Amino acid sequence: EAQVTQNPRYLITVTGKKLTVTCSQNMNHEYMSWYRQDPGLGLRQIYYSMNVEVTDKGDVPEGYKVSRKEKRNFPLILESPSPNQTSLYFCASSRQGWETQYFGPGTRLLVL
Amino acid sequence: EDQVTQSPEALRLQEGESSSLNCSYTVSGLRGLFWYRQDPGKGPEFLFTLYSAGEEKEKERLKATLTKKESFLHITAPKPEDSATYLCAVIPMDTGRRALTFGSGTRLQVQP
Repeated sequence: EAQVTQNPRYLITVTGKKLTVTCSQNMNHEYMSWYRQDPGLGLRQIYYSMNVEVTDKGDVPEGYKVSRKEKRNFPLILESPSPNQTSLYFCASSRQGWETQYFGPGTRLLVL
Repeated sequence: EDQVTQSPEALRLQEGESSSLNCSYTVSGLRGLFWYRQDPGKGPEFLFTLYSAGEEKEKERLKATLTKKESFLHITAPKPEDSATYLCAVIPMDTGRRALTFGSGTRLQVQP
């Protein structure tokens, strides 16, 4: 089944404790992206990747890092999480970005 | 600045009562318009992609249409299982990021 998977699905952590949210897709897509969704602000892009080793900032990149060492994986790294990063995070992938982007199930993060 | 506005914010229908959701957009040039369905706490689920004015797509009780300034999602004889938030998003022609710009969504509730 074609899908985007994320782990973990739920995470509670404390300020400053580094964490990684994994994202994987099995559709051989070149384009991958991370979004966060907040009430009243909608979905906003954090980082994106056009292909392996090609990443760039989206609308709200502060406090986040990403890497793309393999085509199928695109982890999101929070090196020193803060409470304002409490949010619902979605990974998405697309053939080259212009076409339909398919979303993962989401990771709900709470930073205390 | 690219903008997507959805209306109404919330809509309550009786089962079988047809209606339409509106998505108006302002972009320098439209590469594609996308409709997604989102259930609470889950990832957006792809419904339709529209690329040019006059285009229409249908799937079961849903039909999406596109003009040069707006898109409509028509729901015919809805059922309670159609209850969800419906999101509209655009990709402008001139963006290197290929990020989706989302509207704030329409929360649809269909009562039996």
